[in-house]
Order: sequence, then C-alpha cells, then structure tokens
Amino acid sequence: GQNIDQPTEMTATEGAIVQINCTYQTSGFNGLFWYQQHAGEAPTFLSYNVLDGLEEKGRFSSFLSRSKGYSYLLLKELQMKDSASYLCAVRVLYGQNFVFGPGTRLSVLP
Amino acid sequence: GAGVSQTPSNKVTEKGKYVELRCDPISGHTALYWYRQSLGQGPEFLIYFQGTGAADDSGLPNDRFFAVRPEGSVSTLKIQRTERGDSAVYLCASSSDPYNEQFFGPGTRLTVL
Repeated sequence: GQNIDQPTEMTATEGAIVQINCTYQTSGFNGLFWYQQHAGEAPTFLSYNVLDGLEEKGRFSSFLSRSKGYSYLLLKELQMKDSASYLCAVRVLYGQNFVFGPGTRLSVLP
Repeated sequence: GAGVSQTPSNKVTEKGKYVELRCDPISGHTALYWYRQSLGQGPEFLIYFQGTGAADDSGLPNDRFFAVRPEGSVSTLKIQRTERGDSAVYLCASSSDPYNEQFFGPGTRLTVL
C-alpha cells in the first residue's frame, strides 16, 4: 500500500520559521511535491524534489532524503497569508498515480 | 493565459442519479488528472490521461465511475447511480508533461442527497 504521514495541525507566529515534515512509504518513487491549499481553493504548486538535498525558492525550501523516506517544507518569515494546508505528494510512477498526504493545516498568528 | 477550468462549480443531485463533471485543461497540456478530496483530507487520485488515453485508472473506486478525454483536451468524469459517499470536491489538474508540476482547477463540489 501507499502511506504518507504529515502532522495534522501546526501553529506558528508571524515572522517566525516553521518546518512541516512528511514521511512516506510507497511502492515506487519518482519525485516529491509540496502544494499549498487555502480553504475552499485548489492546491497550488510550491516545490519539487527528486534528488536528495535542499531546494530553495524564496521564503520556501524543501528537503528530501530518499533513503529515509522523509521530506520537509521550511517556511521562513511567516506571513498571515501563509495560513493554509500544506500537502505532501509522492509521484509513485512516471506521470502516474500521485499519492497525496492528508495535509498539514498551518495557522499563523500575529 | 487561462488556467484549468471546471464546470459546474457546484452540483447537488439525488442518490441514484447520473452526473457529469467537466474539466478544461490548460491549452497544450497533454497530461490530465482527476482527484477527489473529502473535507480535511488530501486529494485522492482517480485517473490519469496522457493524450486521449487513460494511462492509469487504478484510482477509480468502482465501475460506477468512468472518465473520457476523446480529443485529448476536455475531459468528462461520469458517475452513475450516485451514492451519498460520492459527495466530495472533484479536482482536475493538468501538466505540460508528466515530469512537471500539476496545475489544479477550482474543483466541482458534488453533494449527493
């Protein structure tokens, strides 16, 4: 089977740094994606890792360790608009069958 | 340019009825995905099209669900004999090729009474 775990909820303060973890056990691996989803809206792409290491994109960074089945999303200089759900997704096979985690609901407080 | 669009945005139907949900992907995107998302959960993969053909339909829950993409652009998800458990937001996504990120549409909220 396919399994992706993320914390259900996290809370952080405006201006702070937060790390959202994702662990996965899947039958295959061909890349890990992070998406942001505001309540009632569609997911939007944040980052993509296929090789081990850190990918940085502005205030957002994502890390992958394939041997550990582990990724994290790092958000710096948190803003109120970052309050959203963050979805970790694994592409199990080329072009096919993306498996999404349950999402982590992040609340940014003033 | 225009993003992924889905119609209708909301659909309320009665148990046992037939529904069709439509997805217009970004022009030129060959890969198209259908997902459904229940409240508080991540999207659940249903089916993936590459061009006109269904490359992976392993996520369709049973034979009441069917999807087509006859000309390699617009796709329709069809649900027969709807059940209350089918109530969810149905999301469509497209990408320029399977290695690139997916762009999601706004979804269709299906409610089966």
